[in-house]
Amino acid sequence: EAGVAQSPRYKIIEKRQSVAFWCNPISGHATLYWYQQILGQGPKLLIQFQNNGVVDDSQLPKDRFSAERLKGVDSTLKIQPAKLEDSAVYLCASSLRRGNTDTQYFGPGTRLTVL
Amino acid sequence: AQKVTQAQTEISVVEKEDVTLDCVYETRDTTYYLFWYKQPPSGELVFLIRRNSFDEQNEISGRYSWNFQKSTSSFNFTITASQVVDSAVYFCALSDSWGKLQFGAGTQVVVTP
Repeated sequence: EAGVAQSPRYKIIEKRQSVAFWCNPISGHATLYWYQQILGQGPKLLIQFQNNGVVDDSQLPKDRFSAERLKGVDSTLKIQPAKLEDSAVYLCASSLRRGNTDTQYFGPGTRLTVL
Repeated sequence: AQKVTQAQTEISVVEKEDVTLDCVYETRDTTYYLFWYKQPPSGELVFLIRRNSFDEQNEISGRYSWNFQKSTSSFNFTITASQVVDSAVYFCALSDSWGKLQFGAGTQVVVTP
């Protein structure tokens, strides 16, 4: 069974530029998560989708970050415009259902460097 | 609010030594799940174990073992006879009823030959 796929793996941009990340979850997984992991810290949830609806985006900086999950499968996370403090690894995870009875499986992440 | 504390920032051991990683959590939920993930240098978070709040039995999987104690709100992880391939950052995490994971800061394990 294929795991969670993410692209690109690495991205370097200048501050104030825009960037987008793509995630393809494990087939059949209804719930998709985007996490931000700053160097030396644990991942922090940005947004959680159940199928194509947002169920938790309380920690998403909505003035510059946006995410969508069209058709309830793939998802994109966008940053516009990027700031220096956005330098981090962006991890996508998916689980079969929503709720703590399910395990989240993570992709390889996208390492973003903002100069 | 939920909180996970991993007080050990880094642990260095020589191959074949045992290493124990501490995890202390805080939650008001009566039903919750605890997790351990491994993050090797490649960056991907690898799931190791999930344990619910009603199951306090210790678990062993190969060289890995976990000790869950509700009385002290701890979920510690031991690697027996460590190997170089065990070098990674290990994260303890707590899940709320909606599946939102709260991670600790992680513990870097360095195993030298």
